Amino acid sequence: EDQVTQSPEALRLQEGESSSLNCSYTVSGLRGLFWYRQDPGKGPEFLFTLYSAGEEKEKERLKATLTKKESFLHITAPKPEDSATYLCAVQAGDSSYKLIFGSGTRLLVRP
Amino acid sequence: DAGVIQSPRHEVTEMGQEVTLRCKPISGHDYLFWYRQTMMRGLELLIYFNNNVPIDDSGMPEDRFSAKMPNASFSTLKIQPSEPRDSAVYFCASSFYRDFSGNTIYFGEGSWLTVV
Repeated sequence: EDQVTQSPEALRLQEGESSSLNCSYTVSGLRGLFWYRQDPGKGPEFLFTLYSAGEEKEKERLKATLTKKESFLHITAPKPEDSATYLCAVQAGDSSYKLIFGSGTRLLVRP
Repeated sequence: DAGVIQSPRHEVTEMGQEVTLRCKPISGHDYLFWYRQTMMRGLELLIYFNNNVPIDDSGMPEDRFSAKMPNASFSTLKIQPSEPRDSAVYFCASSFYRDFSGNTIYFGEGSWLTVV
């Protein structure tokens, strides 16, 4: 069964304290791995798509990396406005358009 | 662009009542998705449409749930009768075909449903 597990569930950082969020997955043929950001009361907002092991994507203080079994979202020198829930999702290798989401990591960055 | 528009944003209803959630996808998008988000189960895909036709409804939890897309600019998710365990945030999302890439999926703000 296709599955996505994110860790930690919650993470508290001081402003400027870099860290990483983990997304482990088991899927029958990965078509893509996606990172979304979700603010309270809002819908998920797309950040990155990764398609193959070794691929990396960057956006401001965020960098996403992908291996054959997991992905990391690295946050460098975070700011309070980076506080949000970060969701990971995978798309399996069948013809379905289905995204399977992890439960997310709630990030709080303190000033 | 106005984005994906959902209504109502918040709904409180009594058990047994019918609930109808509405969605207007982004103009030109040919895929529409209904997701449900809870603390326990996270984001789950309920059903998705392509060109107004339901493609996969395997995530619809029970016969109490139904979804329609009468035209390219409107979809509804109906729960009848509603139960307290249906309390969740329901998201509508839309996308246009481009190599099945997840980055083209845009979410609405969600409809917060509470069944008491």
